[in-house]
Formats: sequence, C-alpha cells, structure tokens
Amino acid sequence: DTGVSQNPRHKITKRGQNVTFRCDPISEHNRLYWYRQTLGQGPEFLTYFQNEAQLEKSRLLSDRFSAERPKGSFSTLEIQRTEQGDSAMYLCASSGRPSPHAGLTYEQYFGPGTRLTVT
Amino acid sequence: AQKITQTQPGMFVQEKEAVTLDCTYDTSDPSYGLFWYKQPSSGEMIFLIYQGSYDQQNATEGRYSLNFQKARKSANLVISASQLGDSAMYFCAMRGFSGGYQKVTFGIGTKLQVIP
Repeated sequence: DTGVSQNPRHKITKRGQNVTFRCDPISEHNRLYWYRQTLGQGPEFLTYFQNEAQLEKSRLLSDRFSAERPKGSFSTLEIQRTEQGDSAMYLCASSGRPSPHAGLTYEQYFGPGTRLTVT
Repeated sequence: AQKITQTQPGMFVQEKEAVTLDCTYDTSDPSYGLFWYKQPSSGEMIFLIYQGSYDQQNATEGRYSLNFQKARKSANLVISASQLGDSAMYFCAMRGFSGGYQKVTFGIGTKLQVIP
C-alpha cells in the first residue's frame, strides 16, 4: 500500500487545450474524491465516486470537466478547452477502510496533487 | 449547508511550545465529523485527527489534540511540543452524514511557522 498517487504532478498547458489527470487510489478503497485547491484557499469538493459510480458532483464542475472511474479503480479528470481560471492544484483522495476512530466516517487519504498552470 | 471558519491566517510558535489553531463550524446536520489536515509545502494533505459530533471525549493523536466544544461549535487543534517539521498549512474540515452526503468542506487554512 503506497498511498494515493497522481499523475502528472505538474502540467502546463495553453488556454484552449484539453488536459487529463490520473488518480490511483489506495487499492482497497472504494471511494474516490476529486478536489480543486487555488492559492490561499482550502480544497473545494468537485466530485465523488463509490466504486465506478459517480454519486456526487459539485456545481464547480462545469460542462468542460468530466471525471470517470471506469473499473472502480483509478480515476481520470479531464478538462476541455482549458481557461486561465482553471489553474489550480487538483487533489485526489480515497477512503473506504473502516475508520479506526469511533464514529461514522472514513478519513480521506490524499494524493500529492496535480498542479495545473494554464497560460 | 456546511461552513468552516479559520480566522488565523498565520501563527508563529516557538519550538517545543504548544499552539492552538482555531476552527469554528456551522452545519444543520445533527451528526457530523470534524477533521484536521496538515499540508506541507510539498502539497500533500496529511490527515491528523478526527472528532465525531457524538464522541464523548476529545480526540487525541500523539502530539495533536482536538478541543471540541459542541455548544460553541468550535473544534480547535492543539499541537503540543511544537517541532520545526510542524511548519505547514493546517486545514480544519467537516463532513455531514445526512443523506449519504460525502462532501467534505474545508476552511481556508492557517499557516503555522515554528521558530527555532
């Protein structure tokens, strides 16, 4: 178990281009989340998968954004026709093991993120 | 709707001293969880500690403890015996449990700098 991995770690693209990011969650985790983090802010929720099903989407996820998790393992986040406002850190997290803590939740384990710069 | 407020943009603490990072929250969910994450300059979010809204005792994890005051809707993080490696951004976050809601809401963070 090597944790959540994300590729690429950095991406520079020109406005109008499409980009795709990949997230590999912790292997036994069935839940996967995407967040966006801009400078000086906390992460903002984008979308959530349970296995291969996309169960929640934020209003932040415009039509240019699409996320998939085809086999319930890795996930991809694609941004079409990138804009300068898309420049941010894109974080992936996974959860699914019962929490060792008392309570009803599962803590989310984050990957290192993909930093996108749109020029 | 959920809201997390962190009012300290930056904090300094002397090495080996204790420091408290403030967090207040607002939610209409009767049941919820509160988290603290650490984000070093490398960017990765590291889970530190969790408190459930019905937990009777304040959570502790090593040098981290969560001062949970439910009536005041506060969930402050206390770091004891600060170390240089504690210098990072710290985010308070919460998750509600109504309707299978999975979204975690984060605050804007507090930048902690530990001084030698």
